Amino acid sequence: KAGVTQTPRYLIKTRGQQVTLSCSPISGHRSVSWYQQTPGQGLQFLFEYFSETQRNKGNFPGRFSGRQFSNSRSEMNVSTLELGDSALYLCASSSTGSDTGELFFGEGSRLTVL
Amino acid sequence: AQSVAQPEDQVNVAEGNPLTVKCTYSVSGNPYLFWYVQYPNRGLQFLLKYITGDNLVKGSYGFEAEFNKSQTSFHLKKPSALVSDSALYFCAGGNAGNNRKLIWGLGTSLAVNP
Repeated sequence: KAGVTQTPRYLIKTRGQQVTLSCSPISGHRSVSWYQQTPGQGLQFLFEYFSETQRNKGNFPGRFSGRQFSNSRSEMNVSTLELGDSALYLCASSSTGSDTGELFFGEGSRLTVL
Repeated sequence: AQSVAQPEDQVNVAEGNPLTVKCTYSVSGNPYLFWYVQYPNRGLQFLLKYITGDNLVKGSYGFEAEFNKSQTSFHLKKPSALVSDSALYFCAGGNAGNNRKLIWGLGTSLAVNP
């Protein structure tokens, strides 16, 4: 079956702009979680959605938001971009949840903020 | 505070030699522990997990990990390294009571030299 699909794969924005990233999970998976990956900070948990409800969130400012649709596809939005938001954004889907189940990751969306 | 640590930023090993990538955890209660691997410019791939049961867990690509409760460790091992094992390895942990969040290590870069 098809894997986790993230779009776009690469994007360049300038400070102050906003960006929306999309994630299509594996068919049948109801959990989608988002992560920010940077060389210095490793993998940082942003939030998890399960059946359209935010089940958990990490320690990121309110500029970072997300949502999940009825078909389990998820989007995350970052407003008022800062240089430090440059990172690889990964989403992962799971059938049971990000804490106990095997996570299936997409290849990521690499965001560069100039 | 709960944490997962990967004490080595980088591990170098010769092809054919055994490899160990270290992970220690500080998680209350009964931990769930995971290993993931990330190849260059790709998302993370699940290797193995410990939830309960046998302390020695076998996973994908010939990897295994040993859960050691007294040493609070979950080291990843492989008897004979391949050049293709060169990648970034992440350990993650959590428990059912930790607000359902996984805590991620910062990653260990494994280089297998031919």
